Amino acid sequence: AQSVTQLGSHVSVSEGALVLLRCNYSSSVPPYLFWYVQYPNQGLQLLLKYTSAATLVKGINGFEAEFKKSETSFHLTKPSAHMSDAAEYFCAVSASNFGNEKLTFGTGTRLTIIP
Amino acid sequence: EPEVTQTPSHQVTQMGQEVILRCVPISNHLYFYWYRQILGQKVEFLVSFYNNEISEKSEIFDDQFSVERPDGSNFTLKIRSTKLEDSAMYFCATYTTNEKLFFGSGTQLSVL
Repeated sequence: AQSVTQLGSHVSVSEGALVLLRCNYSSSVPPYLFWYVQYPNQGLQLLLKYTSAATLVKGINGFEAEFKKSETSFHLTKPSAHMSDAAEYFCAVSASNFGNEKLTFGTGTRLTIIP
Repeated sequence: EPEVTQTPSHQVTQMGQEVILRCVPISNHLYFYWYRQILGQKVEFLVSFYNNEISEKSEIFDDQFSVERPDGSNFTLKIRSTKLEDSAMYFCATYTTNEKLFFGSGTQLSVL
């Protein structure tokens, strides 16, 4: 069984400040980990994914995440927040990188950017 | 143009009524999924569909739910007799031949 836990349902940061969104996973097999973003009235969009090639993964819009097996974590960071980063962020885990495996999502973190 | 289009964007129905949610992929889509998100809760997997049959379903996907791809294009989720607890945002997702997963923008279902 696989699961992810996102700490903090709401996170607020000032524009230009560091963004840190937390995700911890549980998996009985080597996990594939994902971060998705959802802007208002839009579908889920893939930010980045970990597929065991490298522990530090760079994604779109300046986001990156580091896979830490010892901490079972896959936290999402961005050095400098921009107003356009305001959205809902979902961490997800899968047993495969291939399309025949379902994603198990966390509860999401709503990111607010303070001007 | 989005890779996956869902219709309608909002659906309001009375308890006990049937609803059909539609998902229209563009091309080269192999696997199809339905997920849902009840307000304030996790995005939950409902069902996956491949080669015109269900490949996996969750415990949520009971006999009230069905999926089909009748014309080789639209992928539909039918709820035969809606309950109040079916109120949620329903997301369609598709996986393409070039290994990309696309989500639709969702259908907000409200059961009254």
